Amino acid sequence: DAKTTQPPSMDCAEGRAANLPCNHSTISGNEYVYWYRQIHSQGPQYIIHGLKNNETNEMASLIITEDRKSSTLILPHATLRDTAVYYCIVRTSGNTGKLIFGQGTTLQVKP
Amino acid sequence: DADVTQTPRNRITKTGKRIMLECSQTKGHDRMYWYRQDPGLGLRLIYYSFDVKDINKGEISDGYSVSRQAQAKFSLSLESAIPNQTALYFCATSDAGIYGYTFGSGTRLTVV
Repeated sequence: DAKTTQPPSMDCAEGRAANLPCNHSTISGNEYVYWYRQIHSQGPQYIIHGLKNNETNEMASLIITEDRKSSTLILPHATLRDTAVYYCIVRTSGNTGKLIFGQGTTLQVKP
Repeated sequence: DADVTQTPRNRITKTGKRIMLECSQTKGHDRMYWYRQDPGLGLRLIYYSFDVKDINKGEISDGYSVSRQAQAKFSLSLESAIPNQTALYFCATSDAGIYGYTFGSGTRLTVV
């Protein structure tokens, strides 16, 4: 599975959009991009995933570049409860599709 | 009730003791995983199982063993606990498709 690179930390003002970048320059055609977050030692929580099209759900939006070498997770109106470590992971589907976590980005939402 | 339940939530044990961490799920998923997390680090995969008869080593399986007793149950054992196995342990489940994993709340293990 391809590796990902994320900034170690970011700040965001409450109520503003949080844009979390991820580089995955070695991603292959059958690998999906997944985002999870972990709030203070709780179990990681699935946020969103995508292959090549942009995706949106009730939690966030995922923007994947046309060459698929990078992506951005967008939390449209960050709240204090969004303070967490955010993990960007690439994963194949099918029988070998394990989740391999990197270091993630610690997002601090400030009042 | 939680979809993925881990027991115990917290455990302190002595060096050399055998300990078992248990995980059960109501998601109906075939695939189950054990991860460990050390302070300030991401999760590392210990073992995973794609069905009841399938067991696979992950990144850091040394010192650990697992048992898949049923589709819904996946246990992690430390045969002889050592202090550097002090960590937060997570169980997770998934189906065979592209959807996300569901994680348990974790077991905080301290080996003294």
